Amino acid sequence: DTGVSQDPRHKITKRGQNVTFRCDPISEHNRLYWYRQTLGQGPEFLTYFQNEAQLEKSRLLSDRFSAERPKGSFSTLEIQRTEQGDSAMYLCASSRMVSQGGYTFGSGTRLTVV
Amino acid sequence: TQLLEQSPQFLSIQEGENLTVYCNSSSVFSSLQWYRQEPGEGPVLLVTVVTGGEVKKLKRLTFQFGDARKDSSLHITAAQPGDTGLYLCAGTFVRGADGLTFGKGTHLIIQP
Repeated sequence: DTGVSQDPRHKITKRGQNVTFRCDPISEHNRLYWYRQTLGQGPEFLTYFQNEAQLEKSRLLSDRFSAERPKGSFSTLEIQRTEQGDSAMYLCASSRMVSQGGYTFGSGTRLTVV
Repeated sequence: TQLLEQSPQFLSIQEGENLTVYCNSSSVFSSLQWYRQEPGEGPVLLVTVVTGGEVKKLKRLTFQFGDARKDSSLHITAAQPGDTGLYLCAGTFVRGADGLTFGKGTHLIIQP
């Protein structure tokens, strides 16, 4: 197992376009998390899944954002009608059931909206 | 809303010096983690602490969790240029809850 994989690593899009990011977690981890990190800030929680169920969403996750994890394995995060304020690093992490063991993060997808 | 404050925000020291960075909250942590992040990469977990007063060591890094579980410190002995990075603390405030709350981090630069 090579860890958490995210694709693409970088994405440049024009304002108003839709983008989709993919995350492949560590196979034996049943929890998957999405975070957003802007310059100079720590990561901010967006949402998380336990298996295929989306259990929590942050109020940061506007209705333009949607996340899925259809088979409890990989996950996608879609942003519709992107805005310049969406420019950030989008991080995915996975963990076992007990989160106190710590998360394994992917390398992130850097989104730039122009 | 639970807030996590880290200090200092920036720290630049010479190779071989010792340093301590801090993480504080007004709320009690259920668990606390320290991560290190390099530019363009995701955070990498260094340690998890859950018991008040706990001390953990990772080579030249010493992590301490406050007795009241509201604060933590990371001490680096004989810092090396490879220690350069963003050090983030992150915590959960309710046992079993998810969605880590991160601090803004301490940007550490070790000059050779």
